[in-house]
Amino acid sequence: QVQLVQSGAEVKKPGASVKVSCKASGYTFTTYDIYWVRQATGQGLEWMGWMNPNSGNTGSAQKFQGRVTITRNTSISTAYMELSSLGSDDTAVYYCARGGQYSSLWAWGQGTLVTVSS
Amino acid sequence: DIQMTQSPSSVSASVGDRVTITCRASQGISSWLAWYQQKPGKAPKLLIYGASSLQSGVPSRFSGSGSGTDFTLTISSLQPEDFATYYCQQTNSFPYTFGQGTKLQIK
Repeated sequence: QVQLVQSGAEVKKPGASVKVSCKASGYTFTTYDIYWVRQATGQGLEWMGWMNPNSGNTGSAQKFQGRVTITRNTSISTAYMELSSLGSDDTAVYYCARGGQYSSLWAWGQGTLVTVSS
Repeated sequence: DIQMTQSPSSVSASVGDRVTITCRASQGISSWLAWYQQKPGKAPKLLIYGASSLQSGVPSRFSGSGSGTDFTLTISSLQPEDFATYYCQQTNSFPYTFGQGTKLQIK
């Protein structure tokens, strides 16, 4: 079955960067887009960006442009999201998701908690 | 960016009730709308895509409708496992924005 398994929780200091991985299995990695979404504690869902794993093309919400880098390693079916210049308001659970019909987020990773604290 | 507005923000209902949640887009998105269910501590789960197509494995008591700017998610007869937070998301144009969520609570 389709599975997305993310890397473990991270604690970072303000100004640092974090890189979250998302390993896909159960389907051909290059066939479907990968999306990144985050959720601060008690808050709603925030769309961050996407990647076409086949072409490597990416895009991100304007809020994150210049700070977020989305990459992939097709040989190990893994996508990565790196967020730089972290601030306390970047503390959140970060999810990867696989695209589906109508670009819906068809399957989700389990989430990775990133805590930014001095 | 397209703004997605859900209403109500929270609703209390009883098992067996019929519940409707609405989602309005700030501009037309045709049928490029998805609905998700999220339970505490869990990742969201896709319920509806293309505004009205039921994701495989999702109970038929869930249904979606609408096109353009106005959409609804209906749960025909609430079950105990349906108490959760629901989000709509437009997938018409980047960024694929979400509504603010609707928390469905037990009355």
